[in-house]
Amino acid sequence: AQKITQTQPGMFVQEKEAVTLDCTYDTSDPSYGLFWYKQPSSGEMIFLIYQGSYDQQNATEGRYSLNFQKARKSANLVISASQLGDSAMYFCAILGTEGGSNYKLTFGKGTLLTVNP
Amino acid sequence: GAGVSQSPSNKVTEKGKDVELRCDPISGHTALYWYRQSLGQGLEFLIYFQGNSAPDKSGLPSDRFSAERTGGSVSTLTIQRTQQEDSAVYLCASSLAAVPSYSGNTIYFGEGSWLTVV
Repeated sequence: AQKITQTQPGMFVQEKEAVTLDCTYDTSDPSYGLFWYKQPSSGEMIFLIYQGSYDQQNATEGRYSLNFQKARKSANLVISASQLGDSAMYFCAILGTEGGSNYKLTFGKGTLLTVNP
Repeated sequence: GAGVSQSPSNKVTEKGKDVELRCDPISGHTALYWYRQSLGQGLEFLIYFQGNSAPDKSGLPSDRFSAERTGGSVSTLTIQRTQQEDSAVYLCASSLAAVPSYSGNTIYFGEGSWLTVV
């Protein structure tokens, strides 16, 4: 079964500094997608960035970049120049078929990021 | 609509009553997902639709839970004889298709339906 592991329950970062949120995954699928979502205290799930398993280049979206290391099955999120509004729960997720024909989006347990002024 | 729309946004119901939660996906999105998130917890997969069919119902917690999708668009999640442990946020998401390697594809979530069973 596919699985996402986020080993950091909580992280702290100073405003304007960069922070890396860890994500490792396990899958037997050759074709899969990796997502990062932000969930502020209001509860909505906000899409941040996506990386396809066959994408050669690391995905970037503004201040967000995904450090994709396929051989290590790692998909860490890097947030540059942290802002107070970045304080939220961050979820890593994988979209795959678990070896079957039906797709499932599986989430990790999340990392709570706190940005300090 | 511009985004995934869910209703009601908040629902308080008495134990034993039935509830229906509605999800209106982004226009043209063929894949639709339902997740449940209990307070302070991660996301629990419930069911996935491709068009009107649900190839994976493995996440539905009990036979009190059912879901349908009509016209390849709106989906309804029904919980019968609600229990207190059903209290959670129910999140719906949609995507163009469940094709993970397509770089342009992504999965968008609605704002959720907060269900409280008293």
